[in-house]
Amino acid sequence: EADIYQTPRYLVIGTGKKITLECSQTMGHDKMYWYQQDPGMELHLIHYSYGVNSTEKGDLSSESTVSRIRTEHFPLTLESARPSHTSQYLCASSPTLGGGDQETQYFGPGTRLLVL
Amino acid sequence: GIQVEQSPPDLILQEGANSTLRCNFSDSVNNLQWFHQNPWGQLINLFYIPSGTKQNGRLSATTVATERYSLLYISSSQTTDSGVYFCAVDANNNDMRFGAGTRLTVKP
Repeated sequence: EADIYQTPRYLVIGTGKKITLECSQTMGHDKMYWYQQDPGMELHLIHYSYGVNSTEKGDLSSESTVSRIRTEHFPLTLESARPSHTSQYLCASSPTLGGGDQETQYFGPGTRLLVL
Repeated sequence: GIQVEQSPPDLILQEGANSTLRCNFSDSVNNLQWFHQNPWGQLINLFYIPSGTKQNGRLSATTVATERYSLLYISSSQTTDSGVYFCAVDANNNDMRFGAGTRLTVKP
């Protein structure tokens, strides 16, 4: 069973606020990801990281930033929340870049964000 | 970028029935995974299967990489199998592309 945590689980916030979604994993995984998912729809990659001090942009990265100062921690920041950001945000990690089953992704429980 | 298509989009089964879910992808891949998302939104990895066949209990998966498709088989379905099944692929070790999913409902 994977140990990957996200906080908060639910967040209701007003337009224009800056928010940070937290993601932590205790498995020592190198690669971490952030996805955005509307209910029942496909996942869209926002950002990912190969390891400490590595961050890469996905398809929906333009309105958010990430940092990877520690292996276990990969926070996502929205500088100015808008109603269009209302969605579920999923964090995931995978062990290494070594291929094989080590590429398996483990997902956190998600953060449901509502921007009013 | 690589395209991922899943079929059928929706599937309703009676408990005990078998089913086959399909994932087509548009380019060669080095990573393909099947996930189940339960009604509470939690995503669970089912298989890492860029090629070949794997089985885990009532679930099995086969990927024919040369023909760019993967199949997920569910046998003797149970109500707890309900949810959305996603296929995700990675062509160049950079990011995972998810399909739109198959929404499965298993009725008692």
